[in-house]
Amino acid sequence: GAVVSQHPSWVICKSGTSVKIECRSLDFQATTMFWYRQFPKQSLMLMATSNEGSKATYEQGVEKDKFLINHASLTLSTLTVTSAHPEDSSFYICSARAPQSGPNYEQYFGPGTRLTVT
Amino acid sequence: QKEVEQDPGPLSVPEGAIVSLNCTYSNSAFQYFMWYRQYSRKGPELLMYTYSSGNKEDGRFTAQVDKSSKYISLFIRDSQPSDSATYLCAMSEWYSGNTPLVFGKGTRLSVIA
Repeated sequence: GAVVSQHPSWVICKSGTSVKIECRSLDFQATTMFWYRQFPKQSLMLMATSNEGSKATYEQGVEKDKFLINHASLTLSTLTVTSAHPEDSSFYICSARAPQSGPNYEQYFGPGTRLTVT
Repeated sequence: QKEVEQDPGPLSVPEGAIVSLNCTYSNSAFQYFMWYRQYSRKGPELLMYTYSSGNKEDGRFTAQVDKSSKYISLFIRDSQPSDSATYLCAMSEWYSGNTPLVFGKGTRLSVIA
């Protein structure tokens, strides 16, 4: 089956520093990846849609200069949280669509990265 | 009104019970419906997907979509303690691969042995 990995799984950083999170599709090529943020006991909130070779599309209210997304290859997208603050502490999850014909294009999720900003 | 409504629970049932999880939605253009299971501090795992209206069965799980009522359900038969997790419904319009999913808040389920 389609597997998506994330690295790191857990990171603690100091306020003001930057953190990079990687999302990889291990056994398929993903032209589109999505980045979500999830606060405790809340649902997934879409942050941005990442397309290989082009700029990401950010959801309303998400600062594109703070959350830098790069999708340089068909198997890797990165999210960099710049100048992190404690309110950025959250669970960040990526997902990727497995290319399919017809309407059945499932979306597979990574295991998530827990970011704690102190 | 949010696009997708889902009762967050928590829902607690005894082992062996039939569980019914539901979502309602407002966007009549949604045609593609999914259920995800998420264990604590893990990414969501796709359980089932259906396209348009109808039923779909996979083992102990049955997904139902009623587009006329804008209502979807997931039934779990013979529930097990290992089914204890948060269940998220998600949906999208049938569009290009760039169309993101819209998620419900998730329902926390506890199956008690």
